[in-house]
Amino acid sequence: GNSVTQMEGPVTLSEEAFLTINCTYTATGYPSLFWYVQYPGEGLQLLLKATKADDKGSNKGFEATYRKETTSFHLEKGSVQVSDSAVYFCALPYSGGYQKVTFGIGTKLQVIP
Amino acid sequence: DVKVTQSSRYLVKRTGEKVFLECVQDMDHENMFWYRQDPGLGLRLIYFSYDVKMKEKGDIPEGYSVSREKKERFSLILESASTNQTSMYLCASSGLPGYNEQFFGPGTRLTVL
Repeated sequence: GNSVTQMEGPVTLSEEAFLTINCTYTATGYPSLFWYVQYPGEGLQLLLKATKADDKGSNKGFEATYRKETTSFHLEKGSVQVSDSAVYFCALPYSGGYQKVTFGIGTKLQVIP
Repeated sequence: DVKVTQSSRYLVKRTGEKVFLECVQDMDHENMFWYRQDPGLGLRLIYFSYDVKMKEKGDIPEGYSVSREKKERFSLILESASTNQTSMYLCASSGLPGYNEQFFGPGTRLTVL
């Protein structure tokens, strides 16, 4: 079935540093890909998505490009802020699974001033 | 503002107790989900409901059951709580059609002693 692989972290960066969180996937066909974010004490919320190959999703300064050649969907941000400290989850739908989504293990990001 | 609410943020129960976790959404969504979140394992789907009284097992249904008598409410039941069910439980909902964004509640931190 469909699956994603991402590093668990934690990733610790100084404010204004460049961020990359890697995500690779295994999938049947070319499903939509998602990044969700979980701020401390909260549930997950959708950060961005891409629905087809070569699409770029973007939101709040974060970007990710759907690359089918490398089966990757890496999350990037040019200049992180302390408020970006959170856990980031890469996700994609189950193969043939209606609305179900499979999530990666989550990468914890800590940004220090 | 869309909302998924969970009945408790923190819960402490004893081994063998019957535990009810309640989730309510106000978005008229067809689909509702229960996940557990554990360090190093990410989110794992326990149960999924795609309509009132309809349910489908997720990846880790053992030791859990669910109830969906009304569209807006989805309950997770631990028939006889065990210490290995100590975890963060997240409820989510999504609408039709396609692989739509899931909206999450803030989570319930359950400790079984």
